[in-house]
Amino acid sequence: GEDVEQSLFLSVREGDSSVINCTYTDSSSTYLYWYKQEPGAGLQLLTYIFSNMDMKQDQRLTVLLNKKDKHLSLRIADTQTGDSAIYFCAENQAGTALIFGKGTTLSVSS
Amino acid sequence: IAGITQAPTSQILAAGRRMTLRCTQDMRHNAMYWYRQDLGLGLRLIHYSNTAGTTGKGEVPDGYSVSRANTDDFPLTLASAVPSQTSVYFCASSPGDRGWSGYTFGSGTRLTVV
Repeated sequence: GEDVEQSLFLSVREGDSSVINCTYTDSSSTYLYWYKQEPGAGLQLLTYIFSNMDMKQDQRLTVLLNKKDKHLSLRIADTQTGDSAIYFCAENQAGTALIFGKGTTLSVSS
Repeated sequence: IAGITQAPTSQILAAGRRMTLRCTQDMRHNAMYWYRQDLGLGLRLIHYSNTAGTTGKGEVPDGYSVSRANTDDFPLTLASAVPSQTSVYFCASSPGDRGWSGYTFGSGTRLTVV
């Protein structure tokens, strides 16, 4: 099947904004998700957006959704060293199970 | 128990041996899933269960089997382990409500087949 695409790496300085991009495949996905995985741990749901929304803001996190281009982005404002992790976007194709991208490794330097 | 518990945390297994990875949840979620995570490949779905008594195949089911005898437990069995099954295995669950698939993940089992 088609893949959920993400860039593999992003490196930013502490205090800068981080933007992680994702291209998904199924225009009928009801929700789109961002998960965070810290080293040696499982994935945690970070935030999500309902498909009829264009933007969702949650403290330092902003999710933008462009349904026409099937493009999803996650912006982290004032990035901290504790934000260093792997970030996965995911969609629920045809209501079965989530399909994940390969993950973007965010590295934050002080 | 709070959330999802996976056991063991890690295991080194001889090729050809049989192994069952355990997964238990206490959230009364209807749906459960098994993923494997490999470097450069992300998470790939092995098997899933939408409700107790039913299971389905994911993207990479070969060499694995599952059962869902009750709501809480979803064990994953490797009948005869091979080195290519070396991976980190994650169990996840979700309420299974229509449209909402926010998953809760376990902490993972790191399996090395030698």
